[in-house]
Amino acid sequence: DVKVTQSSRYLVKRTGEKVFLECVQDMDHENMFWYRQDPGLGLRLIYFSYDVKMKEKGDIPEGYSVSREKKERFSLILESASTNQTSMYLCASRTEGTDTQYFGPGTRLTVL
Amino acid sequence: QKEVEQNSGPLSVPEGAIASLNCTYSDRGSQSFFWYRQYSGKSPELIMSIYSNGDKEDGRFTAQLNKASQYVSLLIRDSQPSDSATYLCAGKNFGNEKLTFGTGTRLTIIP
Repeated sequence: DVKVTQSSRYLVKRTGEKVFLECVQDMDHENMFWYRQDPGLGLRLIYFSYDVKMKEKGDIPEGYSVSREKKERFSLILESASTNQTSMYLCASRTEGTDTQYFGPGTRLTVL
Repeated sequence: QKEVEQNSGPLSVPEGAIASLNCTYSDRGSQSFFWYRQYSGKSPELIMSIYSNGDKEDGRFTAQLNKASQYVSLLIRDSQPSDSATYLCAGKNFGNEKLTFGTGTRLTIIP
């Protein structure tokens, strides 16, 4: 069974704090993705990585950065959290050349 | 105009009936389409993918694709209360790693 885990289910941070969201997959997948999900806006891609140390901007990268130092781990970084980054964050992974993305359980981030 | 559009619902269907979920897309370059199911408080899971015009059946689920009309649908036969969820439609262009998701349709199956 594919397993994608995220470091926290719920997180509360203050405006201006630096926030790290971690995602780990155990299936040796090359591709990893970070989305945010908001009511009425659906799932929107923030960043994705197609291999170690490789990253590409998604549709809404502003205010975020990512790090992929190891194949199994993909981190999303909010350099200075703002209230409009309050959202559900979902990580996903996929084997290169296939279409099935496997999602983690999500992290609900609240920025006060 | 959003690239992938879905009616947000809620869509209510009696148990045992056919649930029909619809999705339209604006990018003619989209080649592959996917239906994800998301239970409340859970993450999305892939239930169907379709790549060519016509119908694709998998158990109680049938995906339909009409590229000329830029239209994708998901039919759920013999609907069960366990089918109550939000269904997300997604499209992908050939050679592009990104999926573009619709906002989802909330489906409720009434016992």
